[in-house]
Amino acid sequence: AAGVIQSPRHLIKEKRETATLKCYPIPRHDTVYWYQQGPGQDPQFLISFYEKMQSDKGSIPDRFSAQQFSDYHSELNMSSLELGDSALYFCASSPIGSGLSTDTQYFGPGTRLTVL
Amino acid sequence: AQSVAQPEDQVNVAEGNPLTVKCTYSVSGNPYLFWYVQYPNRGLQFLLKYITGDNLVKGSYGFEAEFNKSQTSFHLKKPSALVSDSALYFCAVRDKTNDYKLSFGAGTTVTVRA
Repeated sequence: AAGVIQSPRHLIKEKRETATLKCYPIPRHDTVYWYQQGPGQDPQFLISFYEKMQSDKGSIPDRFSAQQFSDYHSELNMSSLELGDSALYFCASSPIGSGLSTDTQYFGPGTRLTVL
Repeated sequence: AQSVAQPEDQVNVAEGNPLTVKCTYSVSGNPYLFWYVQYPNRGLQFLLKYITGDNLVKGSYGFEAEFNKSQTSFHLKKPSALVSDSALYFCAVRDKTNDYKLSFGAGTTVTVRA
C-alpha cells in the first residue's frame, strides 16, 4: 500500500540557512499535518492543512511557513535556521471523510534535519 | 486542553509474557485515542484507535487496548510479547471539538528480552 512520502530523508544545514521539506500524502488523502520531534521527545504539532487551506496551527515558529498545493502535497519552509531546529520532522496525512476528528493520521518516515 | 500521560518511561518484559503499556488521558469531551509505535529511525506506525463503541479495541500485530472511561485510561496490551515488539510506543488523543491535531504522550520504551 502507498504510504506518505517525505523528502529529503536527511538534511544538514548551517545556522541562518533555509530549508524546504516536502510531503506527499497517501493518494486520496486531502489533509496533511506537520509534527516536530526533538531528540528524546514526543512529536509536537506544528501545522495542518485541509483541502489546501490551513486548518490548525500549533507551536510553529514565525520563521517557518507551510502550504498545501493543488495536488495535496505540502511543503514546510524553514528560514533563519537555529541549532534548536535540529529534529525529526514528520508529515502525516488522513483520508477524505466526514468525521475529520476521528480519522487516523498516517505518518511518513520523517526528515531528519541537522543544523550545524 | 487535551493531554495524555504515559507514566512509565520504560517497560521490560520477557518474550512470551504479557505486555502492558499504560496511558491515561484528560480531555474536556469525548476522547479519540490512538496508539502508535516508532521503531529506531522510522516513522510512527498506527496500531489502533478508540472512537466509540466496544471498549476493547483490537489492532495491528496482535495488540489491543481497553478504553476505561471511569479511570480515564487507554492501556495497550499484548498477551504474548515478541522480541520484535521492542520499540517506542506513543499514546495520542484528539478531542471531539474541531481540533485536528494529535497530542502525544511522552512515549514508553518497550524492551522485550529473549
